[in-house]
Amino acid sequence: NAGVTQTPKFQVLKTGQSMTLQCAQDMNHNSMYWYRQDPGMGLRLIYYSASEGTTDKGEVPNGYNVSRLNKREFSLRLESAAPSQTSVYFCASEKVGGRDGYTFGSGTRLTVV
Amino acid sequence: AQSVSQHNHHVILSEAASLELGCNYSYGGTVNLFWYVQYPGQHLQLLLKYFSGDPLVKGIKGFEAEFIKSKFSFNLRKPSVQWSDTAEYFCAVNYITGGFKTIFGAGTRLFVKA
Repeated sequence: NAGVTQTPKFQVLKTGQSMTLQCAQDMNHNSMYWYRQDPGMGLRLIYYSASEGTTDKGEVPNGYNVSRLNKREFSLRLESAAPSQTSVYFCASEKVGGRDGYTFGSGTRLTVV
Repeated sequence: AQSVSQHNHHVILSEAASLELGCNYSYGGTVNLFWYVQYPGQHLQLLLKYFSGDPLVKGIKGFEAEFIKSKFSFNLRKPSVQWSDTAEYFCAVNYITGGFKTIFGAGTRLFVKA
């Protein structure tokens, strides 16, 4: 089925460990996003990529890096995980930035202990 | 700073009751507006969107929303809710001059009693 695929679905890390969250879309969308969802805070934008070859910081970029590998793939890396990064992470894509509405992946539930 | 406010954090309704969820955004010029729904244990799905034209927009599953520019509001409505509408609802705003970033409200949890 067409859509946004995120891996892994669950992950437990120890403080200081690193990991990369993978995201791929097969809808030929131009824009891709990484959000984190925390209770009572809605979704907060970490990084986004308006088009292939570009990335920009969102609202809460500290502690994260991203790579737009090609048009399909947009990965999120935690270099040194901290307990404050315990969250649910969603990748999303959009055909035209800001206008069409997002298609979300199924999310990654990350716990940092 | 640009922001989106959802006034009700938790709403409990009985089946067949009418629903209205409030959403207000801070002034910032031209906007595109969205409502998303997140069913328990699932990812967010687009419910409806507005970017121009008729300010009353209809979405999936009988939902509709009305854009009132003078009030900076985009309230979500449904005439008669069902148990299956139990979910969390997020309002989201894209400020066109702000580029591609969409700002989400904190969400409203709706519980529909059967």
